[in-house]
Amino acid sequence: GAVVSQHPSWVICKSGTSVKIECRSLDFQATTMFWYRQFPKQSLMLMATSNEGSKATYEQGVEKDKFLINHASLTLSTLTVTSAHPEDSSFYICSARGQGGDTEAFFGQGTRLTVV
Amino acid sequence: GQNIDQPTEMTATEGAIVQINCTYQTSGFNGLFWYQQHAGEAPTFLSYNVLDGLEEKGRFSSFLSRSKGYSYLLLKELQMKDSASYLCAVMDSNYQLIWGAGTKLIIKP
Repeated sequence: GAVVSQHPSWVICKSGTSVKIECRSLDFQATTMFWYRQFPKQSLMLMATSNEGSKATYEQGVEKDKFLINHASLTLSTLTVTSAHPEDSSFYICSARGQGGDTEAFFGQGTRLTVV
Repeated sequence: GQNIDQPTEMTATEGAIVQINCTYQTSGFNGLFWYQQHAGEAPTFLSYNVLDGLEEKGRFSSFLSRSKGYSYLLLKELQMKDSASYLCAVMDSNYQLIWGAGTKLIIKP
């Protein structure tokens, strides 16, 4: 299957700082990228959907000013958690999908964020 | 509203067979996915069903009945490494994935 690389795998940051997570599709053009958040023992929660070159669509309850998503190219999307707080500590996962709405979405490895 | 239901947890014995059920109610249907997720890791793709019937892939099989809004994942010859969460997800009419909460499968020797 296609490869999606997410970086970093884990990060610890101080409360009030910002953290950027990168998601790259290595061998295909990702027209759509999805960002998920997962709390322990819970399912994936979709945060936002981004299409290359346009603004991300955020799910209800997700603060777009806090979770900044940029999808500037067909191979890279970034999620920036701004002014992080301990309650933002979570597992963040991206997935990328190529052209055609019925194609499979491939997942990055995930990023474990701990805010202290 | 859109809803995906699957059992929270199941326990099975090494070498046995287990069936994980998933029922769904969604706005449209463009396929059903099963993913495996080990603790602390991202999900990995197992299967995709868009037509009714059984899809077999090695020790894993997935079944779909669109008229019943029902799917199951069948795991045969269970191994300890199969201990994981299994996520059912349905792609709706907008090609968005609607996720179930996952079924934690515990394999005992």
